[in-house]
Amino acid sequence: EAGVTQFPSHSVIEKGQTVTLRCDPISGHDNLYWYRRVMGKEIKFLLHFVKESKQDESGMPNNRFLAERTGGTYSTLKVQPAELEDSGVYFCASSLDRGPGNTIYFGEGSWLTVV
Amino acid sequence: SQKIEQNSEALNIQEGKTATLTCNYTNYSPAYLQWYRQDPGRGPVFLLLIRENEKEKRKERLKVTFDTTLKQSLFHITASQPADSATYLCAPQKSNTGKLIFGQGTTLQVKP
Repeated sequence: EAGVTQFPSHSVIEKGQTVTLRCDPISGHDNLYWYRRVMGKEIKFLLHFVKESKQDESGMPNNRFLAERTGGTYSTLKVQPAELEDSGVYFCASSLDRGPGNTIYFGEGSWLTVV
Repeated sequence: SQKIEQNSEALNIQEGKTATLTCNYTNYSPAYLQWYRQDPGRGPVFLLLIRENEKEKRKERLKVTFDTTLKQSLFHITASQPADSATYLCAPQKSNTGKLIFGQGTTLQVKP
């Protein structure tokens, strides 16, 4: 069974440009999460989808970030326009059930460098 | 504000010894606590979950304790091996959300 897959694995863009990250969760997982780790900091929660609905988007840093999950399958995270401080690794994760105490499976991350 | 603290200093131990990693939390009352392993350039991998009403949980060479009075979890790896070298992350979790709050992680280096 395929795990959580993320694309691209690495991206280098200039400040002011747009980047779209894609995540394919494990098949059948209704719950999809985005996290990110910026340099020197801990991994931080961005948002949580249950199917196509945003369950919790309390971690989204600002309105330059837009996450979508049309159809409740894959998800995209768009950063527009990108700023230098957006550099870091963006992790997508998925789980079968919504509640806490469930195993959450992470992808390998999309490494973003804004120059 | 909520704070999760793990030893920022790397832990270096000799192969065969027991590694003990600490996770302390403040201003937080998690119902669950998860431990993850992360290798360089990879995503976190789930290891163990312990509930607030469980004092201890074991899985093969791994053991986790959860002390809600001390607000602390300890993660033990017995008979450590060089392949156990990685960064270990603790992630407390409240009862009403799937969201994880991560600590910065502790890097473990097991020397042969």
